[in-house]
Amino acid sequence: SQQGEEDPQALSIQEGENATMNCSYKTSINNLQWYRQNSGRGLVHLILIRSNEREKHSGRLRVTLDTSKKSSSLLITASRAADTASYFCATEGRKTSGSRLTFGEGTQLTVNP
Amino acid sequence: NAGVMQNPRHLVRRRGQEARLRCSPMKGHSHVYWYRQLPEEGLKFMVYLQKENIIDESGMPKERFSAEFPKEGPSILRIQQVVRGDSAAYFCASSPLAGGGTEAFFGQGTRLTVV
Repeated sequence: SQQGEEDPQALSIQEGENATMNCSYKTSINNLQWYRQNSGRGLVHLILIRSNEREKHSGRLRVTLDTSKKSSSLLITASRAADTASYFCATEGRKTSGSRLTFGEGTQLTVNP
Repeated sequence: NAGVMQNPRHLVRRRGQEARLRCSPMKGHSHVYWYRQLPEEGLKFMVYLQKENIIDESGMPKERFSAEFPKEGPSILRIQQVVRGDSAAYFCASSPLAGGGTEAFFGQGTRLTVV
């Protein structure tokens, strides 16, 4: 089964607007993480939320986790052109080895100046 | 403390050649993970290694792919007899502990192009 499916696949907004991306997963997790990837570059870790947490903030980022619905959302407030990137959610499953992560397919965010 | 170092950043191989990708984990990290990212897709887990041991290789293709993490030196992902379908970005991540919400740190990746 596919884990970590994001929606929308692509999102285009104007600078200053908020961007919301959603992620769904299928199995029990220890935690869920969000990453950013600029085109052709490596991954930047944004935030980790544990399975017993419901909400977490970091600067302009707000992440929620609903384990009953097996879903998470990433909110970026007051977006900037520099936020343009692909955003991935990744889950660390309860039954997987080590810190192995299962990634979704990503949301491509474009912030227009 | 340097981050996870991968080299080369870009690698071009002709079909049938071997590709050797290197990953030096962060200092003090003894757990290494390899992922593959095809164009326009998310990362897919390949293999999880600790020093001198393969812990989980459930994501590795059964043929042509191998990985090692020796006692000394970097982790190596080796692809023999490359084919066009192996063209992808290969990322390595390392962590100091095994699981339990420990953040894994990613390298910049090696972009393999098979011509």
